[in-house]
Amino acid sequence: EIVLTQSPGTLSLSPGERATLSCRASQSISNSYLAWYQQKPGQAPRLLIYGASSRATGIPDRFSGSGSGTDFTLTISRLEPEDFAVYYCQQYGSSPRFGQGTKVEIK
Amino acid sequence: EVQLLESGGGLVQPGGSLRLSCAASGFTFSNNAMSWVRQAPGKGLEWVSTISGSGAGTYYADSVKGRFTISRDNSKNTLYVQMNSLRGEDTAVYYCAKSGYSRPHDYWGQGTLVTVSS
Repeated sequence: EIVLTQSPGTLSLSPGERATLSCRASQSISNSYLAWYQQKPGQAPRLLIYGASSRATGIPDRFSGSGSGTDFTLTISRLEPEDFAVYYCQQYGSSPRFGQGTKVEIK
Repeated sequence: EVQLLESGGGLVQPGGSLRLSCAASGFTFSNNAMSWVRQAPGKGLEWVSTISGSGAGTYYADSVKGRFTISRDNSKNTLYVQMNSLRGEDTAVYYCAKSGYSRPHDYWGQGTLVTVSS
């Protein structure tokens, strides 16, 4: 089974800064079945990116995804106050798995 | 508008059983796989189970295999999970999520809390 490792565990940044989140897989993820979700306290997760780089409906273009194989990145070009949250990557092929999450907090 | 509404959570003793439901609306339910994802208090997300649109295909995480059974009633646009032999480590918020298995979870319910404790 594929294990996903996210880094860093916590990212402390200021509004307006660029955030770069990493997700590394223990094996190559076929068909780029890699998604990113955002979760705020007390809320359900929200799909941001699927297919490694496609934005979900209604997601602002400051969010972008890249990568293939085993290394994937979520970039938030300029952090808005509402972007401070926990972000999870997920491989959604066989035996779906989530990474452990990266918390983006206000510095 | 897609809506997913979970129900059935609560407090149950170790070894007990519980059935969760998820009422879906706003999309063609029978055309979509559906999933359960859980989140233990203060922890990350864990995929639990997925069922195909027809109900013919079911998939489980190793942690629940043999104890949980996912099912659906397409005539009622409702997803279920029967949880037996519950353990403390099953304590979590259980989310119903649209799609899964080769598709991302594009819509989520608000979750229902299951607490396994004596």
